[in-house]
Amino acid sequence: ETGVTQTPRHLVMGMTNKKSLKCEQHLGHNAMYWYKQSAKKPLELMFVYNFKEQTENNSVPSRFSPECPNSSHLFLHLHTLQPEDSALYLCASSQDPGAGGNTIYFGEGSWLTVV
Amino acid sequence: GQNIDQPTEMTATEGAIVQINCTYQTSGFNGLFWYQQHAGEAPTFLSYNVLDGLEEKGRFSSFLSRSKGYSYLLLKELQMKDSASYLCAGMDSNYQLIWGAGTKLIIKP
Repeated sequence: ETGVTQTPRHLVMGMTNKKSLKCEQHLGHNAMYWYKQSAKKPLELMFVYNFKEQTENNSVPSRFSPECPNSSHLFLHLHTLQPEDSALYLCASSQDPGAGGNTIYFGEGSWLTVV
Repeated sequence: GQNIDQPTEMTATEGAIVQINCTYQTSGFNGLFWYQQHAGEAPTFLSYNVLDGLEEKGRFSSFLSRSKGYSYLLLKELQMKDSASYLCAGMDSNYQLIWGAGTKLIIKP
């Protein structure tokens, strides 16, 4: 069991649906992240929150909307997705995103299929 | 641009040694990470190198050469459970991680 838990583990949604991914970290970290992982591609950083404030938004389409109510919880709201958005979405946390050696701890991911 | 290169796939035999190479180009450098990811599971932290040299942790060792922009992960006494993808990531001057696409390691009996 990791210190970062994600739900749901699997999600199938239509292009017109609205759904949300949830992440919770039990490590006392200050920063939380959303990554997208597609087959045979490098991890893509989507969003970073540090002390609940968004510090990174890497040109992510507006159909992905993050929410960070506190340092332990992170959501990714999904609406009107496209089939190419099908991927593994990984949540992660770390102590200090502005420090060398900042180790990131990942959740087990949410497999998203858009039909 | 920033880039991480690592082989797509490698095969090795149980009990043997394997070396997974990674070359990096980053804007500034604040260290290099290796992660292990079993299929369907979370990536888990293996090692972090910021100084040149070899760091050993049990059966796994990681090496860094800053002048060559090169790192490797060395796995000894391979076990079937070592079958996984190994992700290399360089940290740039802004403390952003630049990820490679991962090396899928297949262990054969």
